[in-house]
Amino acid sequence: DIQMTQSPSAMSASVGDRVTITCRASRGISNYLAWFQQKPGKVPKRLIYAASTLQSGVPSRFSGSGSGTEFTLTISSLQPEDSATYYCLQHDDYPLTFGGGTKVEI
Amino acid sequence: EVQLLESGGGLVQPGGSLRVSCAASGIIFSRYAMNWVRQAPGKGLEWVSAISASGGTTFYGDSVKGRFTVSRDNSKNTLFLQMNSLGAGDTAVYYCATGSRLGYCSGGSCLGGFDSWGQGTLVTVSS
Repeated sequence: DIQMTQSPSAMSASVGDRVTITCRASRGISNYLAWFQQKPGKVPKRLIYAASTLQSGVPSRFSGSGSGTEFTLTISSLQPEDSATYYCLQHDDYPLTFGGGTKVEI
Repeated sequence: EVQLLESGGGLVQPGGSLRVSCAASGIIFSRYAMNWVRQAPGKGLEWVSAISASGGTTFYGDSVKGRFTVSRDNSKNTLFLQMNSLGAGDTAVYYCATGSRLGYCSGGSCLGGFDSWGQGTLVTVSS
């Protein structure tokens, strides 16, 4: 199985900060990676797919990069509404695996 | 607008069984692979199962393999998850999520999707 190691597990940042979250795959997964945002009590929402393609309607301050085994989600200028937990998901092979999540506090 | 509505969750005793459903609308359901994802209270997301658009191919996570069965009724636009031999570790909110669209993917992208999710149904395993 492919393991997804996400870091950090939690972080605190200020409005306007640049935030970077990393996911590392235990083996190469090409660009078969998605990022999700989940706010408390809410359903996960896809932000990024194919490692770097922004989901329609998602603010452009969110971006994704990487290929192979290392991927990043960047929030260029953190906003109050970005307080949430973020997850990566590899879909290169079954079983699909999520990263452990990163809780971002403002 | 895609809508996915899960139902069938509830309280079940350890060792028991339960079937949850996911009714889809706003999509040509028979053209989409579908997934189940669960989230234990206060924990992260865990992929549970996937089924191809036709229903002919299924996949499972290691923790549920041999106990859970995913199926679908394309004539009723409904996805199912039959859960047997339930234990406390299966307590979670169960979400259905769309997978890839038939003919619109290649390689690993066919395992992706997850652009639409239901609101989830809570399954509690307890005596």
